[in-house]
Amino acid sequence: AQTVTQSQPEMSVQEAETVTLSCTYDTSESNYYLFWYKQPPSRQMILVIRQEAYKQQNATENRFSVNFQKAAKSFSLKISDSQLGDTAMYFCAFGKRQGAQKLVFGQGTRLTINP
Amino acid sequence: NAGVMQNPRHLVRRRGQEARLRCSPMKGHSHVYWYRQLPEEGLKFMVYLQKENIIDESGMPKERFSAEFPKEGPSILRIQQVVRGDSAAYFCASSPPPQGYVDTQYFGPGTRLTVL
Repeated sequence: AQTVTQSQPEMSVQEAETVTLSCTYDTSESNYYLFWYKQPPSRQMILVIRQEAYKQQNATENRFSVNFQKAAKSFSLKISDSQLGDTAMYFCAFGKRQGAQKLVFGQGTRLTINP
Repeated sequence: NAGVMQNPRHLVRRRGQEARLRCSPMKGHSHVYWYRQLPEEGLKFMVYLQKENIIDESGMPKERFSAEFPKEGPSILRIQQVVRGDSAAYFCASSPPPQGYVDTQYFGPGTRLTVL
């Protein structure tokens, strides 16, 4: 079974700073996907970024980028030039490439951006 | 293109009543997933359905919970004889038919169930 661990329950940074959220996972699969979802106070789950494990290049989406270390089973999210609207819970998630389509989520990191 | 829709957004039930949660997937999506989020926790997978088929229900409690995705209409998550421990946010997600690989799941706004 797959597990996803986010070891930082809470983080807080000043606006415009860069922040990195950690995620590690455990799997015996070789092909899979990793995701970061954001859950603001509205509780809507919003996809931030997605990484295919077979791609060595780290995914980027504007101010959001990941550091994917497959051998170490690590998948961290970097938010550059943080904004007040980035305040949210962030969840790391794992999905197998084939077979069961369910996502396995970490416990989440509560990120607060201070003005 | 409307997103995933869930209703109701908030549902209050007394112990022993039934709760029905509805999910309409995004247009063109034929796969639906239900997840449950307890307070201060991550989402936990419950069930994965295609039209008229349950594909994976490994996360569903053995009793009182059922799900369906009929040929016409929304997917329904049904909880019979609710107990206080069922109080949680229930999220639905949808994806297009996976063509041999995992596709991104898009989430609805969730239904917050409160059991009194």
